[in-house]
Amino acid sequence: SQQGEEDPQALSIQEGENATMNCSYKTSINNLQWYRQNSGRGLVHLILIRSNEREKHSGRLRVTLDTSKKSSSLLITASRAADTASYFCATDGGSNYKLTFGKGTLLTVNP
Amino acid sequence: NAGVTQTPKFQVLKTGQSMTLQCAQDMNHEYMSWYRQDPGMGLRLIHYSVGAGITDQGEVPNGYNVSRSTTEDFPLRLLSAAPSQTSVYFCASSYSGKRQGGTEAFFGQGTRLTVV
Repeated sequence: SQQGEEDPQALSIQEGENATMNCSYKTSINNLQWYRQNSGRGLVHLILIRSNEREKHSGRLRVTLDTSKKSSSLLITASRAADTASYFCATDGGSNYKLTFGKGTLLTVNP
Repeated sequence: NAGVTQTPKFQVLKTGQSMTLQCAQDMNHEYMSWYRQDPGMGLRLIHYSVGAGITDQGEVPNGYNVSRSTTEDFPLRLLSAAPSQTSVYFCASSYSGKRQGGTEAFFGQGTRLTVV
């Protein structure tokens, strides 16, 4: 079953704008992770936020986690055409070896 | 370090044929997993291993076997290929990271399998 669900399914923005993607999940977690997938390629880890953290930054990425609402958001600031990709959230369900992925958000950044 | 290496990158099988998808990692990770990715479905866990000699089923294990005789290798076997197994397969590895509350997973570049 898909525990993580991203919203929206697709997002199209102009270069320089910010992009926000949301993720909801169902069970308890140790951590929540965000991954990027360029078309036809493997997944690349972006950021991991632990269940006792509320916000985390990495470069142009900002991730928030609300465990009471079982939700997370990924903000990409000052987007670039190279950010065009699918973005997935993944939860570990308390195990760290059984990641459960959502269906992803397809982000298109237009130059 | 090469990271996680999957072979082959592409494969076409006939229904009923068997094959093994190879996965190797050179990071001495305890955990390894196999996922399949279908359009509109995200990634789904097939089998996973928490160490050499230890494997378990994930969400969609039917039609697949795994073994883990070494820390480095985690092959996925299709016993009798079916068109429903047409998919992109990804192998991943990670440290246990128990004390840190988990760690990131490293993914291979995927194997695109078509069963006709």
